[in-house]
Amino acid sequence: GQQLNQSPQSMFIQEGEDVSMNCTSSSIFNTWLWYKQDPGEGPVLLIALYKAGELTSNGRLTAQFGITRKDSFLNISASIPSDVGIYFCAGPIIQGAQKLVFGQGTRLTINP
Amino acid sequence: GAVVSQHPSRVICKSGTSVKIECRSLDFQATTMFWYRQFPKQSLMLMATSNEGSKATYEQGVEKDKFLINHASLTLSTLTVTSAHPEDSSFYICSGQGGHNEQFFGPGTRLTVL
Repeated sequence: GQQLNQSPQSMFIQEGEDVSMNCTSSSIFNTWLWYKQDPGEGPVLLIALYKAGELTSNGRLTAQFGITRKDSFLNISASIPSDVGIYFCAGPIIQGAQKLVFGQGTRLTINP
Repeated sequence: GAVVSQHPSRVICKSGTSVKIECRSLDFQATTMFWYRQFPKQSLMLMATSNEGSKATYEQGVEKDKFLINHASLTLSTLTVTSAHPEDSSFYICSGQGGHNEQFFGPGTRLTVL
């Protein structure tokens, strides 16, 4: 079945640095979703992408839907301590399906 | 908008007892809800898809008689872990589906079975 390969698995950065993470798939996706999960909480939807080439921002976060439809990236600019958490990419398992497949997650740690 | 609540947020029970977890969509109607479990430092694992008014669809390897799902209304789905054992201890998360296939997650329920 479809799988999402998310990288890096973890990041250790200094406060104020920019962050970039990405997701790739061997299959085409029509939707890319980026979530953030804080410890002991459920994932929160950050950005949803529905069109190849789409570039969408949400505050300091920017995500892009790759032209090939097989990848997506998420950037965080000028990181702050509250950006700490685990970031997941996700997409529908098959076209038009309801079920999502998730990447393995990127754990972000910020040193003040 | 698109808020999902879960209750309880944390539960500790004895082995052999049953535990019910509620998932509610507070400001939207969710024809479809999903139940996940998550082990420490791992991604979310889909357990089942819950459709309002019909039987849930379980993922391979998930025992439907052990994890009973009821989706009686467009805003409420429940997951009952029957005869819970320590290996069922996990973080259980539900989600409601929005209009564009995005999913909105609840805050999760931490289940500890002694």
